[in-house]
Amino acid sequence: DQQVKQNSPSLSVQEGRISILNCDYTNSMFDYFLWYKKYPAEGPTFLISISSIKDKNEDGRFTVFLNKSAKHLSLHIVPSQPGDSAVYFCAASDPMNTGFQKLVFGTGTRLLVSP
Amino acid sequence: GAVVSQHPSWVICKSGTSVKIECRSLDFQATTMFWYRQFPKKSLMLMATSNEGSKATYEQGVEKDKFLINHASLTLSTLTVTSAHPEDSSFYICSAGGSNSPLHFGNGTRLTVT
Repeated sequence: DQQVKQNSPSLSVQEGRISILNCDYTNSMFDYFLWYKKYPAEGPTFLISISSIKDKNEDGRFTVFLNKSAKHLSLHIVPSQPGDSAVYFCAASDPMNTGFQKLVFGTGTRLLVSP
Repeated sequence: GAVVSQHPSWVICKSGTSVKIECRSLDFQATTMFWYRQFPKKSLMLMATSNEGSKATYEQGVEKDKFLINHASLTLSTLTVTSAHPEDSSFYICSAGGSNSPLHFGNGTRLTVT
């Protein structure tokens, strides 16, 4: 049972354009969401997070949007750069029940930004 | 710089042997660390929660006698894959974080069992 889903396994974008990565979740108890970036043979690197009391969080070129009613979040990268090419994982946690740090990961979306 | 160090980064072992993977938090104390496993082109699957000074909490379907976890200090957790078999070949990743900060991940260990 995949509680966090990233339905697009891959995404190709041109440099300078916007990249939009999507994530859906099924567990309504999830209250905290994160995006991680991962290169091959490396561990994930934290990018940005959002708690359910917000619907938007911005950090430089990265913005995460949360739509709780739709159980959907998205990561926007603008402008996209070739160095952004990596696999992006969406993750969620249920701080009240299983703890803030116990993360459930999506299946990842491979982003390719071409020059 | 890295705040979570994982060692070794890769290991090849023969079937039937045991392999130990270390996970260290470098500049903070971690009462809790997490061990994940990633199959090719798949998500990171949480295997267990490592608790300093007490027994690890394993996720459903993970054999605790096969994947031994020891969290003897606030900066070190170890995962030992016992009697390894080829199906245990995978990418193992640990993570740790401060009490209210996002998890940091180690760089993972690629285990190949021949």
